[in-house]
Amino acid sequence: GEDVEQSLFLSVREGDSSVINCTYTDSSSTYLYWYKQEPGAGLQLLTYIFSNMDMKQDQRLTVLLNKKDKHLSLRIADTQTGDSAIYFCAESLLNTGFQKLVFGTGTRLLVSP
Amino acid sequence: DVKVTQSSRYLVKRTGEKVFLECVQDMDHENMFWYRQDPGLGLRLIYFSYDVKMKEKGDIPEGYSVSREKKERFSLILESASTNQTSMYLCASSTTTGQHGYTFGSGTRLTVV
Repeated sequence: GEDVEQSLFLSVREGDSSVINCTYTDSSSTYLYWYKQEPGAGLQLLTYIFSNMDMKQDQRLTVLLNKKDKHLSLRIADTQTGDSAIYFCAESLLNTGFQKLVFGTGTRLLVSP
Repeated sequence: DVKVTQSSRYLVKRTGEKVFLECVQDMDHENMFWYRQDPGLGLRLIYFSYDVKMKEKGDIPEGYSVSREKKERFSLILESASTNQTSMYLCASSTTTGQHGYTFGSGTRLTVV
């Protein structure tokens, strides 16, 4: 089945690390994605990880993938107020020759000064 | 700068009106998608298209139709708008395989009164 779960809220102080977690259900997912949505805007692709990797780092962002537990996390180091947004994880499912993305409900990150 | 453009940021329509939401992409992408986003429900796929004049139902197609007469343009049509269609509508596009994720527009916030 297709189901991607995330916690709804996370609150951190500026300068701390943030960890946003996600669980997915389809073990055949080939790619997993993290998107960021700022207020009033569309979704912006932050990073993605191929399913044969267990970690990917990109500047302040670290993605960890535990394929056995179907668990994906996004760590933001030195979180800034500009990181306040909704973060969506998504898994990709092969559907008639292309990757269909299934999104989680989103985690609202609030960064306080 | 490549992008997906949605023609309206905000729309207010009356119950029973026929509503057109337009989306244009300049990346020569084969696939295009319409999602609606509601608090606590995340993104739900309404319709998608993998080629000109081709369309496929997503998870919640009831009350909607789509049109793709040209590769770059994908229109979402609400035949007779109802108050439960008040939502944020997001258009996205991707390459044939979609492995690099989707590119999203900024969204159209539709209010049906």
